[in-house]
Amino acid sequence: DTEVTQTPKHLVMGMTNKKSLKCEQHMGHRAMYWYKQKAKKPPELMFVYSYEKLSINESVPSRFSPECPNSSLLNLHLHALQPEDSALYLCASSLGQGTGELFFGEGSRLTVL
Amino acid sequence: GEDVEQSLFLSVREGDSSVINCTYTDSSSTYLYWYKQEPGAGLQLLTYIFSNMDMKQDQRLTVLLNKKDKHLSLRIADTQTGDSAIYFCAESQGGSYIPTFGRGTSLIVHP
Repeated sequence: DTEVTQTPKHLVMGMTNKKSLKCEQHMGHRAMYWYKQKAKKPPELMFVYSYEKLSINESVPSRFSPECPNSSLLNLHLHALQPEDSALYLCASSLGQGTGELFFGEGSRLTVL
Repeated sequence: GEDVEQSLFLSVREGDSSVINCTYTDSSSTYLYWYKQEPGAGLQLLTYIFSNMDMKQDQRLTVLLNKKDKHLSLRIADTQTGDSAIYFCAESQGGSYIPTFGRGTSLIVHP
């Protein structure tokens, strides 16, 4: 199994809603990542978890709250988002933090109304 | 400017070679990568090269690195319609080894 599975594939939410994006991998990887990608822009790193602990937060606003309940799961909790937060959110994993071979999911496309 | 730059589009005829170019700014980059993203799919690592190498070949793919000019290229020989995708150049540095991506080059292969 070399897959990173993200759900939902599409999400539309209002600015007052609370929602979550989910990511799962069963490759035994110990590092997991959230990237944000806007149209015609490169994926931008948001968070990195290493061995279930948050190791990097790229100054992401607190309306995005990551959670790593176990080594296979990564969540991104969303609350009070703005329309400019609409983007493709990509989850990735790697064997450990320190190897550049990231395995990506297909992404969750988020629209904030 | 951005740390990693690439042109946005490339159109080639099936059977020709494609060359996708990338420039980066950080001379301390340790690894340089090429990722591929097909429509509706996640990014997939195609190949990577250490900064102390000049060239790496893997079947139809050839990566050339000019460290002096901070220029990386990906050559795809005998390009097929299945190669149509967005190709992302990325670099990482010692310590974190987390890739920083360019905007991606959309490769269109036509018959």
